[in-house]
Amino acid sequence: DIQLTQSPSSLSASVGDRVTITCRASQSIRSYLNWYQQKPGKAPKLLIYAASSLQGGVPSRFSGGGSGTDFTLTISSLQPEDFATYYCQQSYSIPLGFGGGTKVEIK
Amino acid sequence: EVQLVESGGGLVKPGGSLRLSCEASGFTFRNYSINWVRQAPGKGLEWVSSITSSGSYIDYADSVKGRFTISRDNAKNSLYLQMSSLRAEDTAVYYCARGHPIWVAELLFDTFDLWGQGTLVTVSP
Repeated sequence: DIQLTQSPSSLSASVGDRVTITCRASQSIRSYLNWYQQKPGKAPKLLIYAASSLQGGVPSRFSGGGSGTDFTLTISSLQPEDFATYYCQQSYSIPLGFGGGTKVEIK
Repeated sequence: EVQLVESGGGLVKPGGSLRLSCEASGFTFRNYSINWVRQAPGKGLEWVSSITSSGSYIDYADSVKGRFTISRDNAKNSLYLQMSSLRAEDTAVYYCARGHPIWVAELLFDTFDLWGQGTLVTVSP
């Protein structure tokens, strides 16, 4: 099974900061990596698919990068509504798996 | 409105059974694969099971294989998860999520692009 390791597990940043979250796969998953945002008490929301493609309706301050085993999610200028937990997910092989999550708190 | 609505959660004793439902509306249900994803209280997301659009291909996480059964009724726009031999560690919010494949540079990438609001399953004496 492919393991996804996210870092950091949590971070605190100020409005306007640039924030980067990493996701490392235990083996190559090419670009089969998605990113989701989850706010408390809500279902996850798709942000990025195929490692770097922005889902429709998602603000352009979100971007994704990487391929193979190392991936990043970057928020270029953190906004108050970005307080949430972010998960990476691989769609390369069954079992489909998620990273452990990164909680982003606003300072 | 395009949506998925789960139901059927509740409190069940260890070893018991429960059937979850997920009703779709606003899109052509029979054209999409659907997944179950769960989240234990305060924990991360865990993929549980997938079923293709026709129901011909099914997968399960090892943690539920042999105990859970996914099925669908395209005439009723509905997905089901029959859960048996429930354990305390099955306690979670269960989400159904639509599988949406997207073409990027001649490659097909699968995503979970539409989620329900979730239904809570609690396994406790």
